[in-house]
Amino acid sequence: EAQVTQNPRYLITVTGKKLTVTCSQNMNHEYMSWYRQDPGLGLRQIYYSMNVEVTDKGDVPEGYKVSRKEKRNFPLILESPSPNQTSLYFCASSWDRARNTEAFFGQGTRLTVV
Amino acid sequence: GENVEQHPSTLSVQEGDSAVIKCTYSDSASNYFPWYKQELGKRPQLIIDIRSNVGEKKDQRIAVTLNKTAKHFSLHITETQPEDSAVYFCAAPKAAGNKLTFGGGTRVLVKP
Repeated sequence: EAQVTQNPRYLITVTGKKLTVTCSQNMNHEYMSWYRQDPGLGLRQIYYSMNVEVTDKGDVPEGYKVSRKEKRNFPLILESPSPNQTSLYFCASSWDRARNTEAFFGQGTRLTVV
Repeated sequence: GENVEQHPSTLSVQEGDSAVIKCTYSDSASNYFPWYKQELGKRPQLIIDIRSNVGEKKDQRIAVTLNKTAKHFSLHITETQPEDSAVYFCAAPKAAGNKLTFGGGTRVLVKP
């Protein structure tokens, strides 16, 4: 089954404790991205990747890192989480550049930083 | 960069009535306009999209119209049903780059 898988689904952590949210897709998509969803603010792009070893900042990259060592995986790293990073996070992948094709979303990761 | 505005932020309709959501975008070179539906507690999923070489596209009870001159596109849902209750997002890509910008979302409530 074609899918985008994120882990964990829920995470509560403390300020400053490094964490990684994993994202994996099995559709051989080139384009992957991370979004955060906050009430009233919609979906805001954090980082995206056009292919292996190619990443770029989205609209709200501060406090986040990503890597794309393999085509299928695109982990999101919070080196020192802060309470303002409490949010619902979605990973998404697309066959080609985001401008022309459907984005498939993961199930979401609800992160709480206390 | 691309700026996408979506209105209204909430929409309450009676079952069987129509619902219309409108989005405006800023990048005149944008050429692909998807709409996503997000049910409560679930991930966004594509429901319909339109490319800039057509003005309207229809799929059963949903349709999207595009006005490139005015830089806006709209989602139309006819004969609404309770299962249409969800948050709907429009999106537009930055034509010269690879970022997809989403509108702020519209929470649609269909009252039985």
